Amino acid sequence: AQTVTQSQPEMSVQEAETVTLSCTYDTSESDYYLFWYKQPPSRQMILVIRQEAYKQQNATENRFSVNFQKAAKSFSLKISDSQLGDAAMYFCAYRRTTGNTGKLIFGQGTTLQVKP
Amino acid sequence: EAGVAQSPRYKIIEKRQSVAFWCNPISGHATLYWYQQILGQGPKLLIQFQNNGVVDDSQLPKDRFSAERLKGVDSTLKIQPAKLEDSAVYLCASSLEGLAAKSYEQYFGPGTRLTVT
Repeated sequence: AQTVTQSQPEMSVQEAETVTLSCTYDTSESDYYLFWYKQPPSRQMILVIRQEAYKQQNATENRFSVNFQKAAKSFSLKISDSQLGDAAMYFCAYRRTTGNTGKLIFGQGTTLQVKP
Repeated sequence: EAGVAQSPRYKIIEKRQSVAFWCNPISGHATLYWYQQILGQGPKLLIQFQNNGVVDDSQLPKDRFSAERLKGVDSTLKIQPAKLEDSAVYLCASSLEGLAAKSYEQYFGPGTRLTVT
């Protein structure tokens, strides 16, 4: 069974600085998707960035980028120029590409605090 | 484009009572998911519908939870009878599966926070 682990329950960053959130996962499959979701206090999950496992190039979305290390099964999120609005809980998630099930398997989450 | 709608936003009930949650997915999204998010944890899939058929309900406690998606649009999740450990946020998500999908992105609703006392 696939599992996703986020080992940092809480992280803190100064406004305008850079922070990296860690995620590791376990799977025997060779093709899959990885995601980072943001969940602010309003509870609505928002997709931050996604990575297809077959792509070697790391995904980037504006101030957000990932470091995808397939052999190490590691998928970290880097937030550059942190803003107060980045404060939220961040979840790493895994999804198979095969079969009918589309379920996301989530990690435990990392709460990010941004200090002014 | 309207997002995923859920109601109610909050619900407080006593144990052994029943409760129902409603979800309206994004128009045109064939796939609908219900997730349970216990405080301090990541969401866990309860059930996945493709149109009005069940694709995955392997983690749905079927002795007390039930869900339906009549006509392949709206969905209702019911708990009867509720237990203390059912206190959680129930998230509904929808996605546009198939060739037109953008890497299987799931769009989430605001969730329903259930407290069982």
